[in-house]
Amino acid sequence: SFEMTQPPSVSVSPGQTARITCSADALPKQYAYWFQQKPGQAPVLIIYKDIERPSGIPERFSASFSSSGTTVTLTISGVQAEDEADYFCQSEDSSGIVVFGGGTKLTVV
Amino acid sequence: QVQLQESGPGLVKPSETLSLTCTVSGGSISDYYWSWIRQPPGKGLEWIGHIYYNGSTKCNPSLKSRVTISGDTSKSQFSLNVSSVTAADTAVYFCARVSNYGDLDHWGQGTLVTVSS
Repeated sequence: SFEMTQPPSVSVSPGQTARITCSADALPKQYAYWFQQKPGQAPVLIIYKDIERPSGIPERFSASFSSSGTTVTLTISGVQAEDEADYFCQSEDSSGIVVFGGGTKLTVV
Repeated sequence: QVQLQESGPGLVKPSETLSLTCTVSGGSISDYYWSWIRQPPGKGLEWIGHIYYNGSTKCNPSLKSRVTISGDTSKSQFSLNVSSVTAADTAVYFCARVSNYGDLDHWGQGTLVTVSS
């Protein structure tokens, strides 16, 4: 079955750049999405259609695809303390089943 | 602004059926897919399934035999039933809207359902 793999944790200092990867054997033709979730809150969409940012999401959040097409990366530039959260990638398999990555805990130290 | 609100019992006994309702306000339920997602305490997100406003559904194969999703457009509501629950079904259950781009763009706040006798 289609799986999306994320590192369990990423640590970064304030002002630095955080990169969170999401890998699959072969990313489907469907789009990839990213969510930010803070404790006790619902996830918030921060990237849609692979690289697009919803209104209200800061420009320091961006996403990209690897040339191999098997990895998508969320990049947070100039990390702030408020960016400390769990981040989840999401896509769909070829039959339209929604799949989430396991999540990455971003720690700002 | 579209808002979603989950409602239902917070405690369900093992082997019984978990029933939740999501009420949509601030926008039309028509022309969209509406999803259920759950998150066990301290763990990741699991997609349960979705329903289109016309009533067609799709469910996660891992849960398919136990899950029923239904909708009531007249009340701007859609519902989730999970039968034969066990402790493994203890989770925060979220409802969410699927946008025209396929993303889950609006979420409810989530409701914790605990399976315990």
